[in-house]
Amino acid sequence: NAGVTQTPKFQVLKTGQSMTLQCAQDMNHEYMSWYRQDPGMGLRLIHYSVGAGITDQGEVPNGYNVSRSTTEDFPLRLLSAAPSQTSVYFCASSYSGWQANTEAFFGQGTRLTVV
Amino acid sequence: GQNIDQPTEMTATEGAIVQINCTYQTSGFNGLFWYQQHAGEAPTFLSYNVLDGLEEKGRFSSFLSRSKGYSYLLLKELQMKDSASYLCAVSVPPQTDSWGKLQFGAGTQVVVTP
Repeated sequence: NAGVTQTPKFQVLKTGQSMTLQCAQDMNHEYMSWYRQDPGMGLRLIHYSVGAGITDQGEVPNGYNVSRSTTEDFPLRLLSAAPSQTSVYFCASSYSGWQANTEAFFGQGTRLTVV
Repeated sequence: GQNIDQPTEMTATEGAIVQINCTYQTSGFNGLFWYQQHAGEAPTFLSYNVLDGLEEKGRFSSFLSRSKGYSYLLLKELQMKDSASYLCAVSVPPQTDSWGKLQFGAGTQVVVTP
C-alpha cells in the first residue's frame, strides 16, 4: 500500500507564480487535510475535506485553494506565491476527521521556498 | 479559538524517563493524539486517549484528564532514536460553523544525550 503520496518533495517558486501540490491516498479515506509547518508553530490547518465535493477552510486558508473531485485526490493550489508561504506542507488522510480513534496518516511533505 | 500548549524543548539522558505535558482548551473534545516526528520526516501516530486514565504501549505511555484539559506522554528507557519532536493533537468534533478537525500543538523537541 502506498498510503498517502505527496508530490513534489521540494519546490522553489518565484513570487507571484502559481503551482499545485498533489496529494493522493489509496486507503479510501473520506477525510483529507492540508497543513503547513513552520518553526515554533506546529502544524496549522489550511484546508480540509470530509468527502468528495465537500471542503472547508482551516486556520490559515488565505492564498490557497482546494477542491475534492474524487475520494483519492486532494490537491492544494497556491494562487500567487508569496515569501510568507515558504514552509513545509503536509497532506494527511484519515477515516474520519473527528470520530474517536481515527489516526491520521501523513504524506512525506513538500518543502516549498518562495523567493 | 483553540489552545493547545506543550513545552518547546526537553533534554534527557539515554536510559532515563521524560514526561511531556500537554494542556488544551478547545471548543469540544473527541480524543487526544500523540505523534512523533523525526527531523525532515512526516509525523507518525504514537497513541490515542479518549477516556481518562493511562494507556501503555511498550516504552511509551499516555495519560489523559478530561476535566483538567491535560495529557502527558511518558517515554521510558530513553534511546538515542527517541530524539524527535512530539506533537499533541486534539480531535475537535463538528461545530455549527465547521466540520470536525484535528488541531495540533506546536510540538516538543526531545533531545536525548548519551
